[in-house]
Amino acid sequence: DAGVTQSPTHLIKTRGQHVTLRCSPISGHKSVSWYQQVLGQGPQFIFQYYEKEERGRGNFPDRFSARQFPNYSSELNVNALLLGDSALYLCASSLGGLAGPGDTQYFGPGTRLTVL
Amino acid sequence: AQKVTQAQTEISVVEKEDVTLDCVYETRDTTYYLFWYKQPPSGELVFLIRRNSFDEQNEISGRYSWNFQKSTSSFNFTITASQVVDSAVYFCALRASSGTYKYIFGTGTRLKVLA
Repeated sequence: DAGVTQSPTHLIKTRGQHVTLRCSPISGHKSVSWYQQVLGQGPQFIFQYYEKEERGRGNFPDRFSARQFPNYSSELNVNALLLGDSALYLCASSLGGLAGPGDTQYFGPGTRLTVL
Repeated sequence: AQKVTQAQTEISVVEKEDVTLDCVYETRDTTYYLFWYKQPPSGELVFLIRRNSFDEQNEISGRYSWNFQKSTSSFNFTITASQVVDSAVYFCALRASSGTYKYIFGTGTRLKVLA
């Protein structure tokens, strides 16, 4: 079975631009989470979606938004890019629902965003 | 507050040596879950293990073993007879039973296994 897929793999943008990152979860998984990983740090939680509804939001500005589609894929949007947004953006999928907090998240390969 | 501390920034060992990666966590929840992930240079986080707070049994899987001790809030990871392919960054993560179910990651330990 295919794992979590993310696109694009790499992306270069300039300050002030907008970016959209995409994620397809593992088949059968209904929950998607997004994380930002700055070089040398652990991943930081941005959003979690389950059944197209936002389940949680991390400490990120409103420039960051996301949504989940009926097929459970997800998009992360970042507006007005800043240099500090340069990072690896990771998507994770999990069963969600009754699986509860023990639900294991499986991560995709990430999208490397560079803001110049 | 919930927090995960991985005090070891980088460890270098020679192949076939045993190595232990430390993880200390903080949470006020009585039910929580702990995880270890491996991040090779490709960037993808690879799931290794999940433990529940109410199950303190240690676990061994091949060359990997995990020592979970609630009394010291630690969840350490040992690789026996390390191999070059074990070289990666290893992350410990905590997920509480309350709140948004987000994972709280440590800062990671970079393991270098030298041939």
